[in-house]
Amino acid sequence: GAVVSQHPSWVICKSGTSVKIECRSLDFQATTMFWYRQFPKQSLMLMATSNEGSKATYEQGVEKDKFLINHASLTLSTLTVTSAHPEDSSFYICSVTTQDFSNQPQHFGDGTRLSIL
Amino acid sequence: GDSVTQMEGPVTLSEEAFLTINCTYTATGYPSLFWYVQYPGEGLQLLLKATKADDKGSNKGFEATYRKETTSFHLEKGSVQVSDSAVYFCALSDHTDYKLSFGAGTTVTVRA
Repeated sequence: GAVVSQHPSWVICKSGTSVKIECRSLDFQATTMFWYRQFPKQSLMLMATSNEGSKATYEQGVEKDKFLINHASLTLSTLTVTSAHPEDSSFYICSVTTQDFSNQPQHFGDGTRLSIL
Repeated sequence: GDSVTQMEGPVTLSEEAFLTINCTYTATGYPSLFWYVQYPGEGLQLLLKATKADDKGSNKGFEATYRKETTSFHLEKGSVQVSDSAVYFCALSDHTDYKLSFGAGTTVTVRA
């Protein structure tokens, strides 16, 4: 069964709206989650590392005030795209760290397709 | 830093054809290597992995061997099906911070 639940799977909203995406770890406690952005026909771009109980670590070039990350519990991280504009339209994917290199280091959610009109 | 170079697509094949997707990597240590598959509109699923040199990962008829001497991890399948149509990503993890470095992805389309 699914290890990571991401919600919503698809959202369409007007420009200027703030959108919240949830990422839940279903099977284990996750101190670290990752947020990725994927443009059509491109690879995943790591946006930030979400750490439970502390501030997220953002990759270079990612606006922290634009993409707010909250990791308030061991099973939930949220990404809020604030005042979204059409250029923010993309596929956003979260992952949960298993901290187990012998298996796989991350389990991925099914992604959220965000379309800003 | 660590990086993954992956064969560019798109790749279009007929059913039962042989598939190879080349992947080479650059890393300072001894990373673990992965192939992920992404079906349309979905997230990534782990296809196979190898954690040390000469390991062979296999799953669903796909195979890849960790070649340290050539820093490669090429993905192969002897007879593809239409259901194998997807985007395939090669990735590595250097065991320090659980981050994954991804290749650019290769789109594979299998025609009946």
